[in-house]
Amino acid sequence: GQSLEQPSEVTAVEGAIVQINCTYQTSGFYGLSWYQQHDGGAPTFLSYNALDGLEETGRFSSFLSRSDSYGYLLLQELQMKDSASYFCAVRDHLNQAGTALIFGKGTTLSVSS
Amino acid sequence: DAGITQSPRYKITETGRQVTLMCHQTWSHSYMFWYRQDLGHGLRLIYYSAAADITDKGEVPDGYVVSRSKTENFPLTLESATRSQTSVYFCASTSSSRELFFGEGSRLTVL
Repeated sequence: GQSLEQPSEVTAVEGAIVQINCTYQTSGFYGLSWYQQHDGGAPTFLSYNALDGLEETGRFSSFLSRSDSYGYLLLQELQMKDSASYFCAVRDHLNQAGTALIFGKGTTLSVSS
Repeated sequence: DAGITQSPRYKITETGRQVTLMCHQTWSHSYMFWYRQDLGHGLRLIYYSAAADITDKGEVPDGYVVSRSKTENFPLTLESATRSQTSVYFCASTSSSRELFFGEGSRLTVL
């Protein structure tokens, strides 16, 4: 089966840097994704890593180490609007039919001024 | 309008009733998914579909039925609703493994 572990809560102040870790166990592996969800809203895509290394998109970066089954999301120059839940997700085989995204339980980030 | 839409956005029903949540996407994405979100559990996959007439179970399929006769629609039916099915339901679609596009969610309360 699949399992993903990420911290339940993280707090930080505006302008700071925060790292949200994710470890996973899957029967196969096709990439690690990160999604952001503001309170009550639809999750939105942030990043995708299929290969080892760092992917940078503006203030957000995502890292993957396939040998360690580990990744992280790095948020720099934090702003109040970054307060949200962040989910890591892996694509994995569930059944014979194909693959689907399985999500972690999410990390709630609170940014204070 | 382009995108992925869910209906109804809010629904209150009673135990034992049948409820259908609708999901419609205009991108002609092959893959569609239903997730439920509950406090402490994150997003859990109920069912997914790789194409029209191809569906498969996710992590928590019990009590749910899906169909996909057309590429753009992926309805989720609770045949006999239970209180444990009170949740927020998200539909999503994609044409690749890279990015899922989510609907705004359907908030279901079973009394």
